[in-house]
Amino acid sequence: NAGVTQTPKFRILKIGQSMTLQCAQDMNHNYMYWYRQDPGMGLKLIYYSVGAGITDKGEVPNGYNVSRSTTEDFPLRLELAAPSQTSVYFCATSGLAGLTGELFFGEGSRLTVL
Amino acid sequence: GNSVTQMEGPVTLSEEAFLTINCTYTATGYPSLFWYVQYPGEGLQLLLKATKADDKGSNKGFEATYRKETTSFHLEKGSVQVSDSAVYFCALSDVGGNQFYFGTGTSLTVIP
Repeated sequence: NAGVTQTPKFRILKIGQSMTLQCAQDMNHNYMYWYRQDPGMGLKLIYYSVGAGITDKGEVPNGYNVSRSTTEDFPLRLELAAPSQTSVYFCATSGLAGLTGELFFGEGSRLTVL
Repeated sequence: GNSVTQMEGPVTLSEEAFLTINCTYTATGYPSLFWYVQYPGEGLQLLLKATKADDKGSNKGFEATYRKETTSFHLEKGSVQVSDSAVYFCALSDVGGNQFYFGTGTSLTVIP
């Protein structure tokens, strides 16, 4: 059982380039999340989705886009990469958000923008 | 709004020492509370949780009690081991909502 799979694990981008971080889950969870983790800053929510076809902005959505065409996949698109987007990105899922939901995390994708 | 404030780190302890990492929260209603742990190079994983006031979550010798009166969820362990070295995150999920809120994390290093 793979759980939450993120690709790539590492990537270096030049300023202005675009890329997509992939997230796939095999737990049939409805809720999916993208976080970024900066040193000493904890996790900040970028976007989330409560089911296929439904997405919503989190705390720091600027410079990112998402789509959710299937239950399994929740890709995060970076347009016009900037140095401020250098971070570690985590995808997470939950079968029951709100009252008792536990988050299941992928291993992370480390992105550097130069 | 919802927020989590946790103890600043880093924390360095000797093996077998007692650990406390403080966590307080602000939330409307009655959130669920969580402690996650992140080992080097890995994603976060759930350590323990509590879903209502006075509940105690426990796992691997760690404990935390949901204190509504003090809006706290402090993490404790009686005797830490080198293998407990990691970053610990306190978090809450909003009642009926779809989001989780995390503290900034506390780095723990346990030395032999």
